[in-house]
Amino acid sequence: NAGVTQTPKFQVLKTGQSMTLQCAQDMNHEYMSWYRQDPGMGLRLIHYSVGAGITDQGEVPNGYNVSRSTTEDFPLRLLSAAPSQTSVYFCASRPDSDANTGELFFGEGSRLTVL
Amino acid sequence: GNSVTQMEGPVTLSEEAFLTINCTYTATGYPSLFWYVQYPGEGLQLLLKATKADDKGSNKGFEATYRKETTSFHLEKGSVQVSDSAVYFCALKSGGSYIPTFGRGTSLIVHP
Repeated sequence: NAGVTQTPKFQVLKTGQSMTLQCAQDMNHEYMSWYRQDPGMGLRLIHYSVGAGITDQGEVPNGYNVSRSTTEDFPLRLLSAAPSQTSVYFCASRPDSDANTGELFFGEGSRLTVL
Repeated sequence: GNSVTQMEGPVTLSEEAFLTINCTYTATGYPSLFWYVQYPGEGLQLLLKATKADDKGSNKGFEATYRKETTSFHLEKGSVQVSDSAVYFCALKSGGSYIPTFGRGTSLIVHP
C-alpha cells in the first residue's frame, strides 16, 4: 500500500538553485495539495489541485510552481531557492466524491534546507 | 471565513494522566471535523473524525464529540502513554470549500 509517496526525503540546496519535490499517489485521488510546516506556524497551504490540468494558489504560493499533468503526480518546483524556503514540505491528497468526508492522506514529508 | 483555534502547547503529562486538548472552530454551514496526529519525523495521519453534530469520533483510546452549540471538538484520552507523545492538529472541512482549515497544532509530551 504505497499511498502518498514523496521524494526526496532530505535535500540541501544552495541559494539560487532549483529543484523539484515529487509527489505521487496511487489512490486515484482528485484533490492534491502541498503544505509547508515551520516551527510555530502550523501547516500552510502552498498550492492545490482539484484534478489533472487544474491548479490554484494557496496561502503562501510565492517562489513555488506546480503542475498536474496526470491524476497521480503533483510536483512542486522551486525555481530559485531562498533560505526562507527551508522547511518541511508535505504532500496530501483525498478523493472528492460526494461520499467523502474530507479526510486528507499525507506523505511522510520532504525536509529541505537552503544554505 | 473558516478558522480553527486549539490550545497552545506543549502539553506535558505523566504517563496514565488524563488528556484534554481544546479545539474550537468557526465555519459556514456544517463542516466535518478531524483530529490528525503527527508522530516525530512522520507525516500527519487521521486520528478520528466526526461528520455531524453530536457525533463522537474515537480511535486508539482517544475521543472527541462534535458540539455544534459550543462549536467545539475537544480531544480527550483517559490514560496517556509515552507513545502518545506527538503533535495533534484539529481541522475542519466545509462542504463549500476544497481547502481544509487546520489549527496550529498542539505538542503533547508524556513522561514515564
